[in-house]
Amino acid sequence: GAGVSQTPSNKVTEKGKYVELRCDPISGHTALYWYRQSLGQGPEFLIYFQGTGAADDSGLPNDRFFAVRPEGSVSTLKIQRTERGDSAVYLCASSTQRESYNEQFFGPGTRLTVL
Amino acid sequence: AQTVTQSQPEMSVQEAETVTLSCTYDTSESDYYLFWYKQPPSRQMILVIRQEAYKQQNATENRFSVNFQKAAKSFSLKISDSQLGDAAMYFCAYRRNAGGTSYGKLTFGQGTILTVHP
Repeated sequence: GAGVSQTPSNKVTEKGKYVELRCDPISGHTALYWYRQSLGQGPEFLIYFQGTGAADDSGLPNDRFFAVRPEGSVSTLKIQRTERGDSAVYLCASSTQRESYNEQFFGPGTRLTVL
Repeated sequence: AQTVTQSQPEMSVQEAETVTLSCTYDTSESDYYLFWYKQPPSRQMILVIRQEAYKQQNATENRFSVNFQKAAKSFSLKISDSQLGDAAMYFCAYRRNAGGTSYGKLTFGQGTILTVHP
């Protein structure tokens, strides 16, 4: 594809529900990142995948958050028992790992609203 | 842990004028990258300019340039000949460079909203 895509663009859910957010990286990009951006703030790192494995999940706030990338391409961020504080824009980015500098290309994000 | 601070929540500039956005950071690393990203209302994060810490020369990309002061841990962005399309939220970001290839986690500042007046 031309760029990183994320679906859905917007998601409204009720407190306590389960949600899945999808990220389609640029074809051939082995690295994939998830960030969370609260209103009026900068993005905060959640998790980084190299291929299929999570190389760093230190940014996941608690065990309600989980992400997978089973085939090393598409990734899904899963949030269980959503809380109002989970409301934010969830950004995904991808990059190659072939050079000393690897630009991260961002998707347009999914705006999650928990009522 | 690395931190990035942008002390200007909002800035404004007249079209065709010059504006400087400030950023400071804290790290114990010696090898890292610094970035400025632009985020318009569409939410798409766009890379504006990057600076490698080991390079003393300040990076320049057309109307965008940086003033990188490594000892002071300062990294400001200058936008010359401002255009209406420059209006957006701007984020300063840091990434350490692990070994021969860069490890990707970005640490962002809080952002500066730039308004361009016609």
